Amino acid sequence: NAGVTQTPKFQVLKTGQSMTLQCAQDMNHNSMYWYRQDPGMGLRLIYYSASEGTTDKGEVPNGYNVSRLNKREFSLRLESAAPSQTSVYFCASRTGGRGTGELFFGEGSRLTVL
Amino acid sequence: GNSVTQMEGPVTLSEEAFLTINCTYTATGYPSLFWYVQYPGEGLQLLLKATKADDKGSNKGFEATYRKETTSFHLEKGSVQVSDSAVYFCASDPRNTPLVFGKGTRLSVIA
Repeated sequence: NAGVTQTPKFQVLKTGQSMTLQCAQDMNHNSMYWYRQDPGMGLRLIYYSASEGTTDKGEVPNGYNVSRLNKREFSLRLESAAPSQTSVYFCASRTGGRGTGELFFGEGSRLTVL
Repeated sequence: GNSVTQMEGPVTLSEEAFLTINCTYTATGYPSLFWYVQYPGEGLQLLLKATKADDKGSNKGFEATYRKETTSFHLEKGSVQVSDSAVYFCASDPRNTPLVFGKGTRLSVIA
C-alpha cells in the first residue's frame, strides 16, 4: 500500500538552479499539501490544493510554484533555488478540505542548496 | 488567529518513566485535534486524534484528552520505552484554515 510517494528523496542544487519535487497519492484523496520542515520551526505550509484544479498559498509560498496535475499528483517547483530553501519537504494528502480529518504524509524529500 | 503551542524540547526520560507533552491551541470554533509522531528519517504519522470536547484519543499506550475549557490536548504515556524516541507534533484542524502544527517536541528515552 504505497500511500503518498515523493521523489526524489535527496537532492543537492546550486544556487539559481531549478527543480521540481513530485508527489503522488493512491488513496483517491481530494486535498494535497506541501510543507517544509526546518529545525526549531516545525512544519510550515507552502501551498495546498483543496481539490483538483485549485491551488492556494500557505504560510511560506515565496520562491515556490505548484501544479495540481490531476487528482493523484501535486508537484512543487523551485524556479531559482536559494540557500534559504535548504529544508526537508513533505507532501501530504487527505480526503477532503478543512476540518475533514487526518493528513497522510510522504517520507520527505531532503533538499540542500549550495 | 489559529495557532498551536507545545512545550519546547528536547525531553529526555529514562525507560518506564511517565511522559507528558503539553499542547494548547487557539482556534475559531472547536477544531479537531491530533498528535503526530515522526521517527528518525521518516514522515509524520498519526498517533491519535480527538474530534470534540472531552473526547479521549488513545493509541500504543499514549493518551490525550480534548479539554475545551483549557484549550489543551496534552499527550501522556504511563511508561515510555526506548522505541518511543521520536519527535511529537500537536496539530489543530480548524474549519477556516488548513491544519496548524506546533513546532514539535523531541523525546529521547534512555535505557
